[in-house]
Amino acid sequence: SQQGEEDPQALSIQEGENATMNCSYKTSINNLQWYRQNSGRGLVHLILIRSNEREKHSGRLRVTLDTSKKSSSLLITASRAADTASYFCAPLGAGSYQLTFGKGTKLSVIP
Amino acid sequence: EPEVTQTPSHQVTQMGQEVILRCVPISNHLYFYWYRQILGQKVEFLVSFYNNEISEKSEIFDDQFSVERPDGSNFTLKIRSTKLEDSAMYFCASSEQQGGNYGYTFGSGTRLTVV
Repeated sequence: SQQGEEDPQALSIQEGENATMNCSYKTSINNLQWYRQNSGRGLVHLILIRSNEREKHSGRLRVTLDTSKKSSSLLITASRAADTASYFCAPLGAGSYQLTFGKGTKLSVIP
Repeated sequence: EPEVTQTPSHQVTQMGQEVILRCVPISNHLYFYWYRQILGQKVEFLVSFYNNEISEKSEIFDDQFSVERPDGSNFTLKIRSTKLEDSAMYFCASSEQQGGNYGYTFGSGTRLTVV
């Protein structure tokens, strides 16, 4: 298994601004997934990008993947106070079932 | 939208007691998982389960842990003799395909407190 490392560890922005979070990983992947966790709650799947994709959109979310740099980014546009949460990337290696989570990026959106 | 249901939401147990945490995965999902999160720490993988057997497990998942799918809907995690360090949130998850090619759906968790 491998773990994604999110950067920055914490991010504070004003409502309406865009938030960008980055993820790096170490070995080849089948796909990379982004999750959100509100304090003390379960993880919510946001978006999945496969290793042969470079960019994907879902609503206000935009994910990019650069397999040559082993990195991904998550952009949340026009952020809202409800986006306040921790965000995790989870790279998944081929043939593995095991999502491994890092420390995440703690996003605070100030109204 | 389909969801993974976990019961109970909170469980307090005495050290040395056995606990069973229950999960109802999404009905057409074939792959099931348990994760845990000790307060303030990362979410950690415990075990994955497919076709009535364990497909992958972590070092945390030692002999005191077991999983079972006793019927067509439930998926359980048993801790045989709980220790103080087993206190954590336990999350069940399920996915439609191997490797979660459509993502994993997590339940809201069971908060286990061992006293």
